[in-house]
Amino acid sequence: EIVLTQSPATVSLSPGERATLSCRASQSVSSYLAWYQQKPGQAPRLLIYGASNRATGIPARFSGSGSRTDFTLTISSLEAEDFAVYYCQQRYDWPLTFGQGTRLEIK
Amino acid sequence: EVQLLESGGGLVQPGGSLRLSCAASGFTFRNSAMSWVRQAPGKGLEWVSGISGSAGNTYHADSVEGRFTISRDSSTNTLYLHMNSLRAEDSALYYCARDHLYGGVYFSSDCWGQGTLVTVSS
Repeated sequence: EIVLTQSPATVSLSPGERATLSCRASQSVSSYLAWYQQKPGQAPRLLIYGASNRATGIPARFSGSGSRTDFTLTISSLEAEDFAVYYCQQRYDWPLTFGQGTRLEIK
Repeated sequence: EVQLLESGGGLVQPGGSLRLSCAASGFTFRNSAMSWVRQAPGKGLEWVSGISGSAGNTYHADSVEGRFTISRDSSTNTLYLHMNSLRAEDSALYYCARDHLYGGVYFSSDCWGQGTLVTVSS
């Protein structure tokens, strides 16, 4: 199975700062990568599909980039509601897999 | 409005069985790919099972292969997860999700239920 490794595990930033989250795949997944946000007590929410496409209703401060094995989720200017856990998921091959998550916390 | 409502969770002994249900509404269920994803308390997301749209092909994580079966009833717009030989490590919140095909190319889970909790313990 394809293993996704997210880094860092935890990042502490202040509102207004830029966040850069990484996801690395153990083999190429082309552009078949999605990003999700999860807040405590809530179901995950789709942010990015196809590595770089924002899902419906996702603010423009969220952007995704990368292909094959290296991917990045960038939040250009953090707002209070962005502090959450972020997961990447590969949709390239079965079984589908998630990364272990990156916790974005307020500094 | 797309809605997914899971049910069927509960306390079950190791080795036991359980069937989870996910009632879908607000979209054409019979043509939609669907997934089950679980989350153990305080842990990350784990994809469990998926089923394709009209063809109904099924897929499972290695950790549940041979024990869990995903299925659907398009006459009642319900997704199921049949779970057998349950283990303590299967204890988790189980989400169902719709897998939307974007641009004819990229599937992603765009809508999620609120989950149903499964606890495997003696």
